[in-house]
Amino acid sequence: DQQVKQNSPSLSVQEGRISILNCDYTNSMFDYFLWYKKYPAEGPTFLISISSIKDKNEDGRFTVFLNKSAKHLSLHIVPSQPGDSAVYFCAASAMTTDSWGKLQFGAGTQVVVTP
Amino acid sequence: DSGVTQTPKHLITATGQRVTLRCSPRSGDLSVYWYQQSLDQGLQFLIQYYNGEERAKGNILERFSAQQFPDLHSELNLSSLELGDSALYFCASSVSGGAVETQYFGPGTRLLVL
Repeated sequence: DQQVKQNSPSLSVQEGRISILNCDYTNSMFDYFLWYKKYPAEGPTFLISISSIKDKNEDGRFTVFLNKSAKHLSLHIVPSQPGDSAVYFCAASAMTTDSWGKLQFGAGTQVVVTP
Repeated sequence: DSGVTQTPKHLITATGQRVTLRCSPRSGDLSVYWYQQSLDQGLQFLIQYYNGEERAKGNILERFSAQQFPDLHSELNLSSLELGDSALYFCASSVSGGAVETQYFGPGTRLLVL
């Protein structure tokens, strides 16, 4: 049962433009959301997170938006740079005793930034 | 560099064998997590330890076991290996293992079962 979904397996964007990655979730108990970036042959690298009490969090070129009523979050990267080419994973966790700290991951979106 | 280390980086073994993957968390982190990434399943949570105690369990097979030692490093033991166990195994760590915490991932161990 895939509780976190990234429906776009790939995204191609021009350097300098905005990249928008989307993520949907089904479990209303999720209260913390994270984005990770992954290069081949490396572990996921933490990018940015957002708690369910917020609807936006910004860190440099990265902004995450959370729409709880739609169970949807998005990651905006502005401006996109060639080094942003990677797989991006959306992840979520719930503060319940049986899932304490357990991250549920989406399938990932491959971003390619072209010159 | 996340500060989480994993050894070995690569492991090739045969079906039916047993292997041990090792993880050292970031300095100061008390909680360790294990995840499996296979081609068709994405990143799947296996198990979490906090300060030596098991805290949460995912879809971890009975052939797999883990432990966290007093020095906080963790080992994931995979036994009676099958072809389908070939995957990337990641360890992550966080400060106290709460739900509203960032987990930092190691570089992974690539396991190939022949």
